[in-house]
Amino acid sequence: EPEVTQTPSHQVTQMGQEVILRCVPISNHLYFYWYRQILGQKVEFLVSFYNNEISEKSEIFDDQFSVERPDGSNFTLKIRSTKLEDSAMYFCASSGTLSSYEQYFGPGTRLTVT
Amino acid sequence: AQSVTQLDSQVPVFEEAPVELRCNYSSSVSVYLFWYVQYPNQGLQLLLKYLSGSTLVKGINGFEAEFNKSQTSFHLRKPSVHISDTAEYFCAVSRTGGGNKLTFGTGTQLKVEL
Repeated sequence: EPEVTQTPSHQVTQMGQEVILRCVPISNHLYFYWYRQILGQKVEFLVSFYNNEISEKSEIFDDQFSVERPDGSNFTLKIRSTKLEDSAMYFCASSGTLSSYEQYFGPGTRLTVT
Repeated sequence: AQSVTQLDSQVPVFEEAPVELRCNYSSSVSVYLFWYVQYPNQGLQLLLKYLSGSTLVKGINGFEAEFNKSQTSFHLRKPSVHISDTAEYFCAVSRTGGGNKLTFGTGTQLKVEL
């Protein structure tokens, strides 16, 4: 069964450093998303991406964040200058055709900013 | 905007007993409704979804949920739980149509005891 994959599973970085989180969505899917879950809190939407551009973003997704689909398979989330409060589990998700609305989630990347 | 309320943060239950996890939502537009499960240290897995049609939807692992438009609820039920059902359960909502973000509730920790 196709699945969303994410690398790395755990990333530790120092405050102020740039990080790139990588995702490989399900191959024939059209929509891509990033969510995050701070420890003990609910899952929050960050950004959605369709047709090579951002379709929606949340207030959390400020200028420090960017997304890119550099080739036909990868979908990345970049945080330019990490802050302590960026420590969270980051989930990538994808959804398929226009008639399929369920989002499939990857296993997540745990980002720890020290 | 949409919002989701899961009033029960924790639900303890004995094995083979029935369980109901409550979810209420708020939205000014038509929505799709979802239940996701998160096992420890894993990503989110879709349990079931309501898009349209029959208000009783069946999902994986013996779970079912009923959409009640008048009460804006989408409660999750299972007639007989197993130890392996111990996990965090998230109710989520999105606007109808493709590519829309999920708004999650705060989650309910289901703990199944012997």
